[in-house]
Amino acid sequence: RKEVEQDPGPFNVPEGATVAFNCTYSNSASQSFFWYRQDCRKEPKLLMSVYSSGNEDGRFTAQLNRASQYISLLIRDSKLSDSATYLCVGTRYNNAGNMLTFGGGTRLMVKP
Amino acid sequence: DTEVTQTPKHLVMGMTNKKSLKCEQHMGHRAMYWYKQKAKKPPELMFVYSYEKLSINESVPSRFSPECPNSSLLNLHLHALQPEDSALYLCASSQGTSMVDSPLHFGNGTRLTVT
Repeated sequence: RKEVEQDPGPFNVPEGATVAFNCTYSNSASQSFFWYRQDCRKEPKLLMSVYSSGNEDGRFTAQLNRASQYISLLIRDSKLSDSATYLCVGTRYNNAGNMLTFGGGTRLMVKP
Repeated sequence: DTEVTQTPKHLVMGMTNKKSLKCEQHMGHRAMYWYKQKAKKPPELMFVYSYEKLSINESVPSRFSPECPNSSLLNLHLHALQPEDSALYLCASSQGTSMVDSPLHFGNGTRLTVT
């Protein structure tokens, strides 16, 4: 089982829609979670950190559910410019300690 | 604009060539990373430098050789690569060195093609 798993999509939604992605993680000791956005042929960019109490930034809301071991990203009032791949980041453990690890990404396409 | 600068943006090299990728950050971050990303896949960690010392090598073949000359610079020396090494190579930095507490700041990447 992968440490961090995401539905690859694509999620095709109309402008103005609300869309939500989930990301499951296997390492119950994970403490840090992030959502990154990656546009085609560009580098990943930090969208938001995910805190235990949840986190909201404008149209974006991230939440953590430790009991079920998943994090979510909610995008309200989708814009065309929201079209991108959204990467969930959790942690995995190796000999050197805990490491950040990426999910496979969820592709979002917002249509006019 | 990214605060992590990578050069070159594109690189085409033959399997017998030696080349180097360069990365620079001036945010005072103490950890720097090399990632490799293939098309439609997530970034895969290659190396981590913490306080200018190599702390993690994710079993990367020796044809990839990292170097950290100082706290702001990170190089990746390439020699005798294979066509399957063609990918986007991403440099990243983070403020903390615990590798999980601080988010990663990525450079624009170098798109490498091995012929």
